[in-house]
Amino acid sequence: GAGVSQSPRYKVAKRGQDVALRCDPISGHVSLFWYQQALGQGPEFLTYFQNEAQLDKSGLPSDRFFAERPEGSVSTLKIQRTQQEDSAVYLCASSKQTGDNSPLHFGNGTRLTVT
Amino acid sequence: GNSVTQMEGPVTLSEEAFLTINCTYTATGYPSLFWYVQYPGEGLQLLLKATKADDKGSNKGFEATYRKETTSFHLEKGSVQVSDSAVYFCALKGAAGGTSYGKLTFGQGTILTVHP
Repeated sequence: GAGVSQSPRYKVAKRGQDVALRCDPISGHVSLFWYQQALGQGPEFLTYFQNEAQLDKSGLPSDRFFAERPEGSVSTLKIQRTQQEDSAVYLCASSKQTGDNSPLHFGNGTRLTVT
Repeated sequence: GNSVTQMEGPVTLSEEAFLTINCTYTATGYPSLFWYVQYPGEGLQLLLKATKADDKGSNKGFEATYRKETTSFHLEKGSVQVSDSAVYFCALKGAAGGTSYGKLTFGQGTILTVHP
């Protein structure tokens, strides 16, 4: 596709359920980022992949959060045993490289609501 | 660590008014600075950027100048339109090298509403 695609667009989960959020980056993009955006806040970094390697996961808030990108393309963010504080929009972004001349392209996000 | 602070919102203006959204940052070294815009129902889009001190980024009538002496990157537009109504985010990317990997640090966002 022409842009970064995320699915589902909306997800409602009961507290304690596991969820999986998918990101299809732009074809050929090496770098992939996940961000979490709470209501009324700016996006906050969660994790970064360069191809299939997860080089930085310092932003993951707890060990309930897990991300993978096994073939260096599609990425999945998994949240186990969801809690209400996990409710947020989860954004995926990709870029050709990590240099300043390589802009980040964002998807429309997945809005997760934990009830 | 790196941080970005934006002016409190929301901002409400009449069409053709002058817009300023303040942004200041804290970072080590020489970060790159960005403004992103999020229109209703859409994803974040890059509006403009500046990669070194005194650079001016511009796009769609918006401008921002990288001021290292005041650690600021204020967004301005001389005459806003209804179609500019959106959420605006100031962001920085850490200096090349190290472990920044090009990740962005965002401000909290400023909601702009422009009335006819």
